[in-house]
Amino acid sequence: DTAVSQTPKYLVTQMGNDKSIKCEQNLGHDTMYWYKQDSKKFLKIMFSYNNKELIINETVPNRFSPKSPDKAHLNLHINSLELGDSAVYFCASSPPGGAGEKLFFGSGTQLSVL
Amino acid sequence: RKEVEQDPGPFNVPEGATVAFNCTYSNSASQSFFWYRQDCRKEPKLLMSVYSSGNEDGRFTAQLNRASQYISLLIRDSKLSDSATYLCVAGGPMDTGRRALTFGSGTRLQVQP
Repeated sequence: DTAVSQTPKYLVTQMGNDKSIKCEQNLGHDTMYWYKQDSKKFLKIMFSYNNKELIINETVPNRFSPKSPDKAHLNLHINSLELGDSAVYFCASSPPGGAGEKLFFGSGTQLSVL
Repeated sequence: RKEVEQDPGPFNVPEGATVAFNCTYSNSASQSFFWYRQDCRKEPKLLMSVYSSGNEDGRFTAQLNRASQYISLLIRDSKLSDSATYLCVAGGPMDTGRRALTFGSGTRLQVQP
């Protein structure tokens, strides 16, 4: 009964390919996020959706497109993958009513672009 | 300058030791502060919030100094299971109803038998 689940756990692909990472949460949270953790271990927010509406969109190349079909799902599609996209991508959610501090993270997707 | 800065460590301490981590944040408008814990190859998990008055949760004590823009975490009686990376987090001002959290790169703790 994983609270925030993301797939796949590992993704190895060639430069130029298009790939998607899926995320689902069964906690009933309104807000979901995508974070990127690079090789230097910095966790940076990429996107945030509140009840299917985009509320945070950091400076991320437009090759990255989030999609939220409903408030329990937030998928990340990446076009034309580049070497610099290699990182661990974490999906997260936070409960309603607060200010997003208590984040529940998925187990991460390690993306390796060759 | 990094928005949230931490000493990367590693801090190698024996079991039972007391260890303290510090963190500084650059955005004076930050309104909320936290410590998250991340085990190797795992996701971060909230350890505790940090309040202006200081707060304690068992062996863990967190303190905030707004004037110096400084946050600390003290771990007493270290256990082997405390070995992990500790991420300092600052929440910015409310923006469209949601604060954006800024994570430090973490301080690695290794507790040795």
